[in-house]
Amino acid sequence: EPEVTQTPSHQVTQMGQEVILRCVPISNHLYFYWYRQILGQKVEFLVSFYNNEISEKSEIFDDQFSVERPDGSNFTLKIRSTKLEDSAMYFCASSLTGNSPLHFGNGTRLTVT
Amino acid sequence: DQQVKQNSPSLSVQEGRISILNCDYTNSMFDYFLWYKKYPAEGPTFLISISSIKDKNEDGRFTVFLNKSAKHLSLHIVPSQPGDSAVYFCAASEVSGTYKYIFGTGTRLKVLA
Repeated sequence: EPEVTQTPSHQVTQMGQEVILRCVPISNHLYFYWYRQILGQKVEFLVSFYNNEISEKSEIFDDQFSVERPDGSNFTLKIRSTKLEDSAMYFCASSLTGNSPLHFGNGTRLTVT
Repeated sequence: DQQVKQNSPSLSVQEGRISILNCDYTNSMFDYFLWYKKYPAEGPTFLISISSIKDKNEDGRFTVFLNKSAKHLSLHIVPSQPGDSAVYFCAASEVSGTYKYIFGTGTRLKVLA
């Protein structure tokens, strides 16, 4: 069964550094998402992406965050200058349509020290 | 602003019995609901969905019930198996245009052998 893959599985970075989290969505899916889960808390929506542009973003997704689909297969989340409170599991997801179930990757654990 | 709430953080059930997980929502514009299961160190896995035109959807051991007037949905697992032990999230969205799903806080289900 096709799956969403995320790399790396764990990223440790120092406060103020830039990080790029990478995702390969399911190949025929058209909608892409980033969610995050701070330890012990709920899964929070960050951004959705369709047709090479952001469809919707949450208040968490401020100017420090950006997304890109650079080559038609990868989908990346960049955090320009990481803060301690960015430490979380970041999940990429994709879906075939805008209202079909999301398929999630196994996440990248980001630790900001 | 918790639009999707799961008021029981945990639930323990004996193997073979029914597990009932509950979810409440506040946004009357939500019209598509999903349940996800999550194991540690993995991403959420889609289980079952229901649209607001239905009040019940069944898939094997899993049944989701929707009560629109009460803004309440529940997931029934019958019979419960030890492998069902995981965190269960409900999620909701508005089909007509917002490409995002709002997740609840999750309920940790433990099925006792």
